[in-house]
Amino acid sequence: DIKMTQSPSSMYASLGERVTITCKASQDINSYLSWFQQKPGKSPKTLIYRANRLVDGVPSRFSGSGSGQDYSLTISSLEYEDMGIYYCLQYDEFPLTFGAGTKLELK
Amino acid sequence: EVKLVESGGGLVQPGGSLRLSCATSGFTFTDYYMSWVRQPPGKALEWLGFIRNKANGYTTEYSASVKGRFTISRDNSQSILYLQMNTLRAEDSATYYCAREEVRGYFDYWGQGTTLTVSS
Repeated sequence: DIKMTQSPSSMYASLGERVTITCKASQDINSYLSWFQQKPGKSPKTLIYRANRLVDGVPSRFSGSGSGQDYSLTISSLEYEDMGIYYCLQYDEFPLTFGAGTKLELK
Repeated sequence: EVKLVESGGGLVQPGGSLRLSCATSGFTFTDYYMSWVRQPPGKALEWLGFIRNKANGYTTEYSASVKGRFTISRDNSQSILYLQMNTLRAEDSATYYCAREEVRGYFDYWGQGTTLTVSS
């Protein structure tokens, strides 16, 4: 199985701050990577797929980048509503595998 | 309006079986891949498997952790997705979500989740 190493596991950030979360795959995943946001007690929400394709309705402060094994999710200017847990997912090979998550909290 | 509503969770003894359902509405069910994803309390998401759409023959894929124990199926006449779970273990305790895949990697709709507890 492809292992997704996500970092950091948790972080504190201030409103307006630029935030970057990374995922490293154990092998090349050909940009078949998605990012999800999950808030407490809620179902996950897809933010980005195919590494950099922003889902309709997701604010433009979210962006994704990367290739090969290394990918990142960036929030350009953190807002209060962005608090939650973020997961990456590779879908290049079966089984699909998630990262362990990044808990983003307000400083 | 697209809706996905899971049901069937509960308390099961180790070694037992249970079938979860995901009732869907508001879209042409046969057009979409449908997945099951679970999340143990306080832990990360885990993809369990999916069933492809009509165009791709309704074939299935599974994670190794559930392959041979869990079976994903669909009733296309009633637009319901199922997850049959056998030989349940304590580590299967989790919230189980169904999700629709709009295109590969983009899960555009999720259910609210149903909770399974495996305990004696």
